[in-house]
Amino acid sequence: ETGVTQSPTHLIKTRGQQVTLRCSSQSGHNTVSWYQQALGQGPQFIFQYYREEENGRGNFPPRFSGLQFPNYSSELNVNALELDDSALYLCASSLGGGGTDQPQHFGDGTRLSIL
Amino acid sequence: ELKVEQNPLFLSMQEGKNYTIYCNYSTTSDRLYWYRQDPGKSLESLFVLLSNGAVKQEGRLMASLDTKARLSTLHITAAVHDLSATYFCAVFSGYSTLTFGKGTMLLVSP
Repeated sequence: ETGVTQSPTHLIKTRGQQVTLRCSSQSGHNTVSWYQQALGQGPQFIFQYYREEENGRGNFPPRFSGLQFPNYSSELNVNALELDDSALYLCASSLGGGGTDQPQHFGDGTRLSIL
Repeated sequence: ELKVEQNPLFLSMQEGKNYTIYCNYSTTSDRLYWYRQDPGKSLESLFVLLSNGAVKQEGRLMASLDTKARLSTLHITAAVHDLSATYFCAVFSGYSTLTFGKGTMLLVSP
C-alpha cells in the first residue's frame, strides 16, 4: 500500500511569486485535504477535494486554489505569495469525502519559505 | 466557529509517571481524532473517537470522548522516552472541515 506522497519537500520563493505543490493520495483514497501548519501551531484546513470537486473550504483567500485529477492526486496553488505563507503544507488523503469517519492519512509535507 | 483548546501546551514528564492531556471544543461534534507529530515529521493517526463514551487504548496511551462535556482526554500511563512528541486533537466540524488544537508538546525524560 503506497502512502501519501508530497513534492517538493522544500521550496524557497519570494514575495509575489506563485507556487504549485503536489500530492499523490494513498492507494484507494478518493479524497484529498490540504492544511497549512505554521511553526508551533496546529494544522489549519485550507480545502478538500472529493472526486475532483472542491468539497469544503477553510478561511483562506481565493489566491489559494486547488485541483484534483482523475487519479485523485491533487495540486495546491498559491498566487501572490506573502511572507505569512511560510509554513509546512500538509496533504491528507482519506476515503469517502467529508462524511466518512475514517482518519485522514497525512503526507510528510512541503516546507515553503517566502523571502 | 469551532474552537479547539488543548492543555497543557507543554508537558515535561519523568519516565514512569502518568499524565492526562485535555482537549475541549466549543460546538457539538460526534467525531474526534488524536494525532502524533514528531519534530520535522508529518502527523500519525493515533485514535478515532466516534461516539459519546468512546474509549480507545493503544499501548501506554488511552483516549476517551465525552460529547456532552465537549471534552476528550489522552491519558499517558508509565511514560517512556519514545512517547516524546507533539500530540494534536482534531474535531470534525461538519462538511469536511477538521479543526485542530494547537498541540501539546510532550517531553519525557529519565
